[in-house]
Amino acid sequence: NAGVTQTPKFQVLKTGQSMTLQCAQDMNHNSMYWYRQDPGMGLRLIYYSASEGTTDKGEVPNGYNVSRLNKREFSLRLESAAPSQTSVYFCASRTGTKNYSNQPQHFGDGTRLSIL
Amino acid sequence: GQSLEQPSEVTAVEGAIVQINCTYQTSGFYGLSWYQQHDGGAPTFLSYNGLDGLEETGRFSSFLSRSDSYGYLLLQELQMKDSASYFCAVGGYQKVTFGTGTKLQVIP
Repeated sequence: NAGVTQTPKFQVLKTGQSMTLQCAQDMNHNSMYWYRQDPGMGLRLIYYSASEGTTDKGEVPNGYNVSRLNKREFSLRLESAAPSQTSVYFCASRTGTKNYSNQPQHFGDGTRLSIL
Repeated sequence: GQSLEQPSEVTAVEGAIVQINCTYQTSGFYGLSWYQQHDGGAPTFLSYNGLDGLEETGRFSSFLSRSDSYGYLLLQELQMKDSASYFCAVGGYQKVTFGTGTKLQVIP
């Protein structure tokens, strides 16, 4: 029972390079999320997908794009990486059915991304 | 918009009780959740309050007062393994906003 799987776990990029962070969940969840976490800060929402086929911006979407490939997979793309995007990125999912409020988010182990 | 405030750090003694407070401002309230995160790890869900009052789960309890826009997490019989960061979070429609977290250090 894998839950939420993120790849890669670590990545170092040079400024201007692009890359895609992958996230997959096997819990049949409708909603998926991408967060970034910087030292001493909470989790800031980048993008989310309430259901397959929809995506919406969160608090800090600039410099990122997302794709909800299917119900299981939600990828995050950095088109032209910048040092300010050095962070730990977490993917999360939750059931996302009608009574959404009391549903916990399940997190992946994170991707530690450094941009030089 | 939504914003949450928590103390940045709390230190408590093993075996004691500690309370971590959270105040929030939100345009549309859908409940207050708490998450635990150990250093280097992923956040994990602890508890949820949708209505006023106390919810208890083992050594952990969480309280909510919607009229005061306030909640807290209560940890009893502290253990060294409880040393972690604790985040409160409020949920909007499909969105969840997290506080900046409280780093709890449990000392012998």
